[in-house]
Amino acid sequence: ETGVTQSPTHLIKTRGQQVTLRCSSQSGHNTVSWYQQALGQGPQFIFQYYREEENGRGNFPPRFSGLQFPNYSSELNVNALELDDSALYLCASSWATGGTEAFFGQGTRLTVV
Amino acid sequence: AQSVTQLDSQVPVFEEAPVELRCNYSSSVSVYLFWYVQYPNQGLQLLLKYLSGSTLVKGINGFEAEFNKSQTSFHLRKPSVHISDTAEYFCAVVRSGNTPLVFGKGTRLSVIA
Repeated sequence: ETGVTQSPTHLIKTRGQQVTLRCSSQSGHNTVSWYQQALGQGPQFIFQYYREEENGRGNFPPRFSGLQFPNYSSELNVNALELDDSALYLCASSWATGGTEAFFGQGTRLTVV
Repeated sequence: AQSVTQLDSQVPVFEEAPVELRCNYSSSVSVYLFWYVQYPNQGLQLLLKYLSGSTLVKGINGFEAEFNKSQTSFHLRKPSVHISDTAEYFCAVVRSGNTPLVFGKGTRLSVIA
């Protein structure tokens, strides 16, 4: 039991819509990272939040945005959904970054039709 | 920038046989190395990690990995696999400091009864 929970577990959206995914980090962790895992691929880094500030971003367009709240939970927002956004979205929490272990949630499976 | 190559996309192996899953990385700086396992419809679970010290690292479920700096490899091994080891395995690297995990594309281990 990692303590990282994500909601919802599955959802289906239509192209052009907007979606919000949520992540509750493990108790005591102040860093949350989001990853996109397309079918048959490894997870790709979207962005990371440390103490409510974005402090790293991967190669994703601005329509991917996020927030981290004072309790260190986090949201991932995606605007103007495209078919290629269909993927498993993983949230990971850790204490600081780098060599510390990241604990992953079970993911949210997003399907864009 | 770091990169990870997992040399085999699929590895079938008979139950109770040994297995090796290969991982090579590329980085111009020192890194930390990880192996994660992903069971169907689940998030990632840490198997083991190399931060420093002994190059042979033991993890959960009987897995171990050896860090080889000269060959930039971090291969995962298990002397005797079980049906329950059937899963996707991901090698990942992170640079020390405030940087995210970089994953390989994964290796699907299928254990045959």
